[in-house]
Amino acid sequence: EVRLLESGGGLVQPGGSLRLSCVASGFTFSMNAMAWVRQAPGKGLEWVSAIDDRGSNTYFPDSVRGRFTISRDNSKNTLHLHINSLTAEDTALYYCAREGLGAVDNQFDFWGQGTLVTVSS
Amino acid sequence: EIVLTQSPGTLSLSPGERATLSCRASQSVDSAYLGWYQQKAGQAPRLLIYAASRRASGIPDRFSGSGSGTDFTLTISRLEPEDFAVYYCQHVGITTPLFPFGPGTKVDI
Repeated sequence: EVRLLESGGGLVQPGGSLRLSCVASGFTFSMNAMAWVRQAPGKGLEWVSAIDDRGSNTYFPDSVRGRFTISRDNSKNTLHLHINSLTAEDTALYYCAREGLGAVDNQFDFWGQGTLVTVSS
Repeated sequence: EIVLTQSPGTLSLSPGERATLSCRASQSVDSAYLGWYQQKAGQAPRLLIYAASRRASGIPDRFSGSGSGTDFTLTISRLEPEDFAVYYCQHVGITTPLFPFGPGTKVDI
């Protein structure tokens, strides 16, 4: 069974930084690209980062580029998201998602349950 | 950069009715990289449709997707109580890997 378990969320002061983690199980982690998607309270889904299967290439939308860093440790089946210079607009539930292979080709076919980040003084 | 819009914002229907949800891209996209997700209240999103018209594993056949170019449609043939949720479309960029979502359509009673 594919499982994605996020952690690392919490209450952070504006201007601070945070590292989120996602531990994967139930599949060969090193074969799939991975992504992070966030959802602010009462809002829609916003893709915020992606990384290829080897960790060689990373991708971000303009809205977070320069503040977000995505990385992975395939030996530990773990995905990370590091966020700098946090603002209230970063308050959201952050989901880890797996990019599918084959016909599903990069669509997000499995999701974790999310970790909540709250930015407030 | 491709921008997705969805309509309507909210669709008020009853169980047993047909739901038709629209997703429009700001420029023509390859339908192989257009997907739909369902998100129920308090739950993570779930992949419903990939490649515009192919159902993901375990998705009932009352869900169907269609479209090409800039206009795509998700149809729920007969709404079940568990189908009341928010539905998002997403495009997967290949030449420049970007994964934008549409703003969502809420299907409620």
